Amino acid sequence: DVKVTQSSRYLVKRTGEKVFLECVQDMDHENMFWYRQDPGLGLRLIYFSYDVKMKEKGDIPEGYSVSREKKERFSLILESASTNQTSMYLCASTSTDFLSSTDTQYFGPGTRLTVL
Amino acid sequence: KQEVTQIPAALSVPEGENLVLNCSFTDSAIYNLQWFRQDPGKGLTSLLLIQSSQREQTSGRLNASLDKSSGRSTLYIAASQPGDSATYLCAGDQGAQKLVFGQGTRLTINP
Repeated sequence: DVKVTQSSRYLVKRTGEKVFLECVQDMDHENMFWYRQDPGLGLRLIYFSYDVKMKEKGDIPEGYSVSREKKERFSLILESASTNQTSMYLCASTSTDFLSSTDTQYFGPGTRLTVL
Repeated sequence: KQEVTQIPAALSVPEGENLVLNCSFTDSAIYNLQWFRQDPGKGLTSLLLIQSSQREQTSGRLNASLDKSSGRSTLYIAASQPGDSATYLCAGDQGAQKLVFGQGTRLTINP
């Protein structure tokens, strides 16, 4: 079974702190994604990566950055956390060649981040 | 810009009933349409993926259909069970695995 793990289930940080959310997948997937999920807004794509050291902006990248130094690990970074970044953060991965788009995304359990 | 809508936002039915969840999308140029399940406080689990060239997919008691011309997909659940209670999300793949999600339908199956 594909396994996507996220470093924390719950996280509480203070405004202005630098926050790291870690995601690891064990299936040698090329593609990894970070989403946030908010009531009334659904899931929105923050950043994604098709390969090591590659990154692409999603729909809402402002206030976030990412790092992918190894194939299995994709980190989301909040440079200076703000209260409007309080949310559920979900990581996903998939093995497909994105041009063929034949596979689904496998999601981690999520990290519920609260910024005070 | 692609928009995905799911109606209703919530649905409550008695156990044993067959039911249909609806998903509509504004841009028919999708590579595939995916249905996910999300349990409270958890991540998403993939249920079915329909390629743009397909009309339906089946897995057990679940059947998903896709009509690109009308911009609609449905998820049919047969003989519903309390364990089917969850939020169901549909997502259209815009290409390059960029998914656009609906806001979900929260389903409750009453014993």
